[in-house]
Amino acid sequence: QSALTQPPSASGSPGQSVTISCTGLISDVGAYNYVSWYQQHPGKAPKLMIYEISKRPSGVPHRFSGSKSGNTASLTVSGLQAEDEADYYCSSDTGSNNPYVFGTGTKVTVL
Amino acid sequence: EVQLLESGGGLVQPGGSLRLSCAASGFTFSNYAMSWVRQAPGKGLEWVSGISGSGGNIQYAGSVKGRFTISRDNSKNTLFLQMSSLRVGDTAVYYCAKDLRFSSGYGFDYWGQGDLVTVSS
Repeated sequence: QSALTQPPSASGSPGQSVTISCTGLISDVGAYNYVSWYQQHPGKAPKLMIYEISKRPSGVPHRFSGSKSGNTASLTVSGLQAEDEADYYCSSDTGSNNPYVFGTGTKVTVL
Repeated sequence: EVQLLESGGGLVQPGGSLRLSCAASGFTFSNYAMSWVRQAPGKGLEWVSGISGSGGNIQYAGSVKGRFTISRDNSKNTLFLQMSSLRVGDTAVYYCAKDLRFSSGYGFDYWGQGDLVTVSS
């Protein structure tokens, strides 16, 4: 199972929006609504930000939103804040013996 | 409060073995699938293995199949990963992660702090 494709980097100024794409196959992202997004600060464990394409866990700010079109999922961070600077990873169910595939990761920089 | 605490990591020679443990608290452990996810230094996340809430369904990534064994003790709220025939390429921080549901595939809502496994001679 190949990793999902994400851009290596993305950036924006405070208050702006940034969108990260996550491209997979018809057999993973395209087939299932179980796409999740994780935020990881340096030296820390990942944190769930979005699950089932667009649902936010309790405590995650509303400025984080998710969507999906075909084989590509997206995470949008609106109203960027300094603390949003981190690595972001997507993941998808694959429906196979390997239930999870992660994205390659995107480093978000707040200018 | 959900807590996941990994232990058992360290330095091991190529070909050696190591057993990781993950002590869980703050939720009904047997109701949720659990997984191990690793991250090599400076690299991305890689799912390693998962086990359903009952332990009846077990899955492995191709890169570790036949070398790693996942298990759980629901009476002690503990997840394990027995690693053998370790390779330099297995060097990574290993995270214990709680699935959103009884079976795998839906996402991870809680992660442990991670435990470093270094395979080197």
